Amino acid sequence: DARVTQTPRDKVTEMGQEVTMRCQPILGHNTVFWYRQTMMQGLELLAYFRNRAPLDDSGMPKDRFSAEMPDATLATLKIQPSEPRDSAVYFCASGLTAPGLAYQETQYFGPGTRLLVL
Amino acid sequence: GNSVTQMEGPVTLSEEAFLTINCTYTATGYPSLFWYVQYPGEGLQLLLKATKADDKGSNKGFEATYRKETTSFHLEKGSVQVSDSAVYFCALRKGTGFQKLVFGTGTRLLVSP
Repeated sequence: DARVTQTPRDKVTEMGQEVTMRCQPILGHNTVFWYRQTMMQGLELLAYFRNRAPLDDSGMPKDRFSAEMPDATLATLKIQPSEPRDSAVYFCASGLTAPGLAYQETQYFGPGTRLLVL
Repeated sequence: GNSVTQMEGPVTLSEEAFLTINCTYTATGYPSLFWYVQYPGEGLQLLLKATKADDKGSNKGFEATYRKETTSFHLEKGSVQVSDSAVYFCALRKGTGFQKLVFGTGTRLLVSP
């Protein structure tokens, strides 16, 4: 049963510290998404990648957030420096996009990283 | 722009009651529509989807029909169970080749025995 995995599951840190969240997409998936979920804003798309290239990161505060895919099996989301308002659950999702698969595209979500910045 | 509006929660029901969670959307053209479910402490899971007008998505006893004329995609279930307690998200995707989903704010369902 293939799943998206995320580490760490929980992270507590102090304001100003660097936070790195990792995501392992489902093997063979070529599209990766980062979402942030808060009570106030709901679910927001931060960035997404296709074949490891960033397609859209307009939802991400550029001054402190960065997202990368060092290889096809790892996506990272980094916050430096972290602030209390970054406290949220961060979800990674992956999917497969290919010609002819348009109506089969589905996003598979990981369990999330719960971040608390004190 | 594209947007999704869901009914506010929580929706509180007794076991075996009928469920409706309303969802309407704003989009040009013909978006694909989805319902995702989030159980406590977990990520979102796709529940059902519909890709064109009048399509009915169904899964695990849940159903939703894509209504172009009313721009709606209401989620229904004839008899809910305690295990259905979760947060339900309506979402749309505009176009193909890009999987950028626009989510509603989510509706929490609480089912009591």
